[in-house]
Amino acid sequence: EPEVTQTPSHQVTQMGQEVILRCVPISNHLYFYWYRQILGQKVEFLVSFYNNEISEKSEIFDDQFSVERPDGSNFTLKIRSTKLEDSAMYFCASSRTGGADYYGYTFGSGTRLTVV
Amino acid sequence: DAKTTQPTSMDCAEGRAANLPCNHSTISGNEYVYWYRQIHSQGPQYIIHGLKNNETNEMASLIITEDRKSSTLILPHATLRDTAVYYCIVSRDSTGNQFYFGTGTSLTVIP
Repeated sequence: EPEVTQTPSHQVTQMGQEVILRCVPISNHLYFYWYRQILGQKVEFLVSFYNNEISEKSEIFDDQFSVERPDGSNFTLKIRSTKLEDSAMYFCASSRTGGADYYGYTFGSGTRLTVV
Repeated sequence: DAKTTQPTSMDCAEGRAANLPCNHSTISGNEYVYWYRQIHSQGPQYIIHGLKNNETNEMASLIITEDRKSSTLILPHATLRDTAVYYCIVSRDSTGNQFYFGTGTSLTVIP
């Protein structure tokens, strides 16, 4: 079964450092997403991406965050200057489309980001 | 997007049907009901979704009331591997649309 692959599985970074989280969505999917989950809290939407641009973003996704699909296969989330409160599990997801042909989002297994 | 209300936790005996309720009394006409689950700290997993009609797939059945104000996810023969947090989400069926995950129902399947 096709999978969304995220790397690394765990990343530790110092406060103020830039971090890039990487995701390889399912190959025929067209819509890409980042969600995050702070330990013990809800899964929160960050951003959705389609046709090389952001479709929708939440209040969490401020100027410190950016997304990119640099080479047609990878989908990355960059945090420019990490804060302690950015520590969370970050999930990438992709979907083929919506409507009658909908099979739901496929989520990756996540990257646990720890900011120290 | 409409808000959903789910019980915080439920238990189910292994091999029995697990019936997980969800209230979404403010759902609007163009909003679908989606169910996802999260096993431990893994990424959420899509289970099923529907608009008006009852739906069934290899994982579960979804029963939506006629007024669409509530729904029930049914796992017909629960196994220990079905222990997870189950999220009922109501959202427009629009690509790129964000999902609001609530606190969900923590289902424990008991041997």
